[in-house]
Amino acid sequence: GAGVSQSPSNKVTEKGKDVELRCDPISGHTALYWYRQSLGQGLEFLIYFQGNSAPDKSGLPSDRFSAERTGGSVSTLTIQRTQQEDSAVYLCASVGLGGLVWNTEAFFGQGTRLTVV
Amino acid sequence: DAKTTQPTSMDCAEGRAANLPCNHSTISGNEYVYWYRQIHSQGPQYIIHGLKNNETNEMASLIITEDRKSSTLILPHATLRDTAVYYCIASSGGYQKVTFGTGTKLQVIP
Repeated sequence: GAGVSQSPSNKVTEKGKDVELRCDPISGHTALYWYRQSLGQGLEFLIYFQGNSAPDKSGLPSDRFSAERTGGSVSTLTIQRTQQEDSAVYLCASVGLGGLVWNTEAFFGQGTRLTVV
Repeated sequence: DAKTTQPTSMDCAEGRAANLPCNHSTISGNEYVYWYRQIHSQGPQYIIHGLKNNETNEMASLIITEDRKSSTLILPHATLRDTAVYYCIASSGGYQKVTFGTGTKLQVIP
């Protein structure tokens, strides 16, 4: 596709359930990021994938959160045993040539709005 | 990555220039200044970036002070569609671990 695609756009889940959020980055982009945005807040870094390197998971808030990126393309963010404080918009971004080269722009998806009830 | 400080909110009259300041007094020599904006219910959108020199593109101009401790994003003729939250970021090593902060909420008034 032309841009970063995230699905679902909205997800309502019951507390304690597991959820999977999907990100389809721009084809050919080597770097992929997940951010979380709580209501009225800025973007909080969660995890970063760059090519075949080990992901930087330093932003994941707890071990209930995990992410994988298959084939260097699609990424899935999984939240196990969801809690109400997990409610937020989860944003994915991809960056083109050389994610470690900073003078490039990040392309963001529209996000997945997660509501835990 | 350098910490940035922005005003919480600003108003601008439609058709006038919007000048959004950002303080990054601890910026290091290899850190770029980036600006993104986020229109309600959308993902952030890249606007412009720079290292030392002032930059201009079709969306905006970026003025960086000579000591690089602050910068100003200029939207030359603000429209209602420019109403958004504007984020200023300073970083050198990629977007990892970058927290965008709360930005400046710009309200363009008719």
